[in-house]
Amino acid sequence: QSALTQPASVSGSPGQSISISCTGTSSDVGSFNLVSWYQQHPGIAPKLMIYEVTKRPSGVSNRFSGSKSGNTASLTISGLQADDEADYYCCSFASGSNWVFGGGTKLTVL
Amino acid sequence: QVHLVESGGGVVQPGRSLRLSCAASGFTFRDYGMHWVRRPPGKGLEWVAVIWHDGSNEYYADFVKGRFTISRDNSKSTLYLQMNSLRVEDTAVYYCARRYSEAFDIWGQGTMVTVSS
Repeated sequence: QSALTQPASVSGSPGQSISISCTGTSSDVGSFNLVSWYQQHPGIAPKLMIYEVTKRPSGVSNRFSGSKSGNTASLTISGLQADDEADYYCCSFASGSNWVFGGGTKLTVL
Repeated sequence: QVHLVESGGGVVQPGRSLRLSCAASGFTFRDYGMHWVRRPPGKGLEWVAVIWHDGSNEYYADFVKGRFTISRDNSKSTLYLQMNSLRVEDTAVYYCARRYSEAFDIWGQGTMVTVSS
């Protein structure tokens, strides 16, 4: 399984919106509505932000939203805040009961 | 409060073995599948292995297949990862995580494994 493709970095100013893309294949993102997104601050365990493409766990701000089209999923963060600065990873369930992560995207809040 | 606590990490020589543990609390452990995920230094997250809630199925990433074994003891609410034939490239922080709707909803704090001669 090859890693999903994410941009290495994105940036935005406070209050703005940004999107992070996550491109896979027909064996993972394209075949299953089972894409999830994780936020990881330095030295801290990852935190689930989105699951099943669009669902937010309890306690996650509605500023975070997910979508998918074909083999590409996206995470959108609106109303950027300083604390959103972190690494973000997408993950997809894949054929053969495997899971595959993206390479990660570093979000910088300017 | 839901909690996962990993232990067993350390420094080990290439070719040697190590067993990681993950103690769960605050939820009914036997009802959930469990994963191991790792993050090598300077790199991104990598899925390692999954085990079904009742231990009936296990799946592994290709890069650990045949070397690592995931297991669980539901009577002790504990998950394990037996790592054999360790390689330098297995150096990473290893996390256990709870399976929820094919995502990972609860994570431990991680345990560092360093493979070096």
